[in-house]
Amino acid sequence: DQQVKQNSPSLSVQEGRISILNCDYTNSMFDYFLWYKKYPAEGPTFLISISSIKDKNEDGRFTVFLNKSAKHLSLHIVPSQPGDSAVYFCAATFQGAQKLVFGQGTRLTINP
Amino acid sequence: SQTIHQWPATLVQPVGSPLSLECTVEGTSNPNLYWYRQAAGRGLQLLFYSVGIGQISSEVPQNLSASRPQDRQFILSSKKLLLSDSGFYLCAWSVGTGRTEAFFGQGTRLTVV
Repeated sequence: DQQVKQNSPSLSVQEGRISILNCDYTNSMFDYFLWYKKYPAEGPTFLISISSIKDKNEDGRFTVFLNKSAKHLSLHIVPSQPGDSAVYFCAATFQGAQKLVFGQGTRLTINP
Repeated sequence: SQTIHQWPATLVQPVGSPLSLECTVEGTSNPNLYWYRQAAGRGLQLLFYSVGIGQISSEVPQNLSASRPQDRQFILSSKKLLLSDSGFYLCAWSVGTGRTEAFFGQGTRLTVV
């Protein structure tokens, strides 16, 4: 049972344009969502998060949007840079859960 | 500051051999500890997590086991490796009830041959 889904395994975007990565979840108990970035042969690093009491959180070039009614969140990267090429994981949790549930990941490639 | 150490970085083991991967955390007390495996097409799969010494929760029935002999030490083991155990194993820690970010180690690439 995949509670967090990233339906696009890969995405290719031109440098300077906007990258939009999507994530869907099924468990209505989830109330906190995170995005991680992972380079090959390294551990994932935390990027940005959002609580369910908000519908948007922004940090520099990165913005996460949450649509609770649709159980959908997205990560926007503007402008996209070559160093953004990586695998991006969406994760979800809730108060008292003690763990994060991750999606399958989306490989983002930024083309010069 | 907190750091997490995971070793070895790469490991090639024959089928049927034992496994022991170790992870230690510095700079924090009573962390939640996690073992994940990254497999192709399945993202980051949670294998085990621990909220305290000797407390292990298993998420996926499999050929692996985990132990937490000390507060900041988490060990992933197997008595006999299978080919299907090959993958990228990640240790992580977090503080609190899970509504916080988790911090990952550098990972171990395990190849079972």
